[in-house]
Amino acid sequence: KQEVTQIPAALSVPEGENLVLNCSFTDSAIYNLQWFRQDPGKGLTSLLLIQSSQREQTSGRLNASLDKSSGRSTLYIAASQPGDSATYLCAVKGGGSEKLVFGKGTKLTVNP
Amino acid sequence: EAGVVQSPRYKIIEKKQPVAFWCNPISGHNTLYWYLQNLGQGPELLIRYENEEAVDDSQLPKDRFSAERLKGVDSTLKIQPAELGDSAVYLCASSLTGTANTEAFFGQGTRLTVV
Repeated sequence: KQEVTQIPAALSVPEGENLVLNCSFTDSAIYNLQWFRQDPGKGLTSLLLIQSSQREQTSGRLNASLDKSSGRSTLYIAASQPGDSATYLCAVKGGGSEKLVFGKGTKLTVNP
Repeated sequence: EAGVVQSPRYKIIEKKQPVAFWCNPISGHNTLYWYLQNLGQGPELLIRYENEEAVDDSQLPKDRFSAERLKGVDSTLKIQPAELGDSAVYLCASSLTGTANTEAFFGQGTRLTVV
């Protein structure tokens, strides 16, 4: 059974700082990994999708990497802004199922 | 292009009453998911459809939950009767059918409160 862990559970940083969020998964036989953002009381917004054959994906100030063999992914946020404050969730597809399996998320607070 | 649309956004009901949630996926998306999210937790799958077929409903509590996806487009999730522990956010998502490069898109969710 696939399990996804996100560390840390919460993170508070000053504006302008570069930061890294971590995601690990137990079964490396994945099809893809997706990073989402969730604002309070809202649904999930897809940020980046990394296919299993890819090593990284970039979108603006966001860069996500994937090391499938070690079961890890990182989301790098450059020059953080208060508007980046949200909960960031990673989800993997595969490992014996086509469903998305989620971590519990990292709650990010960027202080002005 | 419209995203995944869910209604209602909020619902408050008394325990033992029935409730239904509706989802309209992105046009052309064959795969539809219903997820449940408790406070402070990641979403957990309830049921996954490929077109009109429920291909993964192993985590759906079938004694009180039911779902349907008529004509392989819109979907309805029903709870009858609702219990206090059902208070949560119910999320619908859709994607193209496939594995490696299929991105899932979520709706805004329905926040259910059972009192």
